[in-house]
Amino acid sequence: DTEVTQTPKHLVMGMTNKKSLKCEQHMGHRAMYWYKQKAKKPPELMFVYSYEKLSINESVPSRFSPECPNSSLLNLHLHALQPEDSALYLCASSGTGTSINYGYTFGSGTRLTVV
Amino acid sequence: QKEVEQNSGPLSVPEGAIASLNCTYSDRGSQSFFWYRQYSGKSPELIMFIYSNGDKEDGRFTAQLNKASQYVSLLIRDSQPSDSATYLCAVRGSSNTGKLIFGQGTTLQVKP
Repeated sequence: DTEVTQTPKHLVMGMTNKKSLKCEQHMGHRAMYWYKQKAKKPPELMFVYSYEKLSINESVPSRFSPECPNSSLLNLHLHALQPEDSALYLCASSGTGTSINYGYTFGSGTRLTVV
Repeated sequence: QKEVEQNSGPLSVPEGAIASLNCTYSDRGSQSFFWYRQYSGKSPELIMFIYSNGDKEDGRFTAQLNKASQYVSLLIRDSQPSDSATYLCAVRGSSNTGKLIFGQGTTLQVKP
């Protein structure tokens, strides 16, 4: 299985809603990532989990709350978002350790619209 | 200076031609380099990686790395309309965090 599965594919939420994005991989990868991508821009790193522990938080606002329940799952909890948070949210996973050629495998993304 | 720089394009080539995409990076200790293809509205797809100086070929794609010049490129031979996409250069730096730093992406248009 070489896929990273993200759900839902599309999400529309109000500014007072609470929702969660889910990501699952079964490639045995021990590093998982959340990226945000706006139109015509490159992916922008939000969080990195390594061995189920948060290792990087790129100064992301607290209305985004990541969670890694186990080595296969990664969640992103959303609360009180703003319209400018509308974007494509990408989950990725990769190997870890000394191998230098471990690229990311991206999921298909969740298209989020905040109204 | 941006950490990873690409010409945003669009780069327009006729079908069957060679497309040349370029990327420079600022961290001299960077270890590995990746090219991702992203179709409009889709997620990035890894197409090539390289970590040693020189050329690496995979089908119609060739990645070239010159660490002394801090330069990495992607050549696409016999370009097809289906190659029309945004190509993202990504660099794993020297910090060993697993973090990839992406360039702005180059939009390639292959005209029939």
